Amino acid sequence: SQQGEEDPQALSIQEGENATMNCSYKTSINNLQWYRQNSGRGLVHLILIRSNEREKHSGRLRVTLDTSKKSSSLLITASRAADTASYFCATVDTGRRALTFGSGTRLQVQP
Amino acid sequence: ETGVTQTPRHLVMGMTNKKSLKCEQHLGHNAMYWYKQSAKKPLELMFVYNFKEQTENNSVPSRFSPECPNSSHLFLHLHTLQPEDSALYLCASSLDGGAGGTGELFFGEGSRLTVL
Repeated sequence: SQQGEEDPQALSIQEGENATMNCSYKTSINNLQWYRQNSGRGLVHLILIRSNEREKHSGRLRVTLDTSKKSSSLLITASRAADTASYFCATVDTGRRALTFGSGTRLQVQP
Repeated sequence: ETGVTQTPRHLVMGMTNKKSLKCEQHLGHNAMYWYKQSAKKPLELMFVYNFKEQTENNSVPSRFSPECPNSSHLFLHLHTLQPEDSALYLCASSLDGGAGGTGELFFGEGSRLTVL
């Protein structure tokens, strides 16, 4: 069953702008991860945030996690055309052994 | 290059054919996964193997048969598929697929399957 729900489903911005994507989930989690997928390719891990963490940074990426609201956000700052891709959140439910993915946000960065 | 290699990258098969997808990881990981990605649907977990043992079968039809001969190789045997099985099949690995929590997954580039 689907766990994460990303919002928005699609986002189009200009180069240099910030992009924010949100993810909501339904059950208790051990960690939440964000992945990127270029069209027709495999997924690439971006960042992992544990359930006891509230914010994490990696380069131009900033992830927040609010376990009380069961939500997370991914912020990409100073976006580039090369950031054009689909972005997925994924959760590891407590007691399970695998990631459950959301339906993704398609980000288009216009040069 | 993620260290996870999938072959073939593209496969076209008829409904009566038997074919196999192969996945190999060179990362020394202990857990391997099959996911299915269909158009406009979230990634669907199919199977999980941890130390060669199947730990999860997500109600996958028996026309999909996984095989994990060792921690580095994972196969998906396909038989009597339906056109709705056409999708991108993604293999992934992780260091540990234990119940304590799964860390980062490393994905292959996928096998694009078309069933005629």
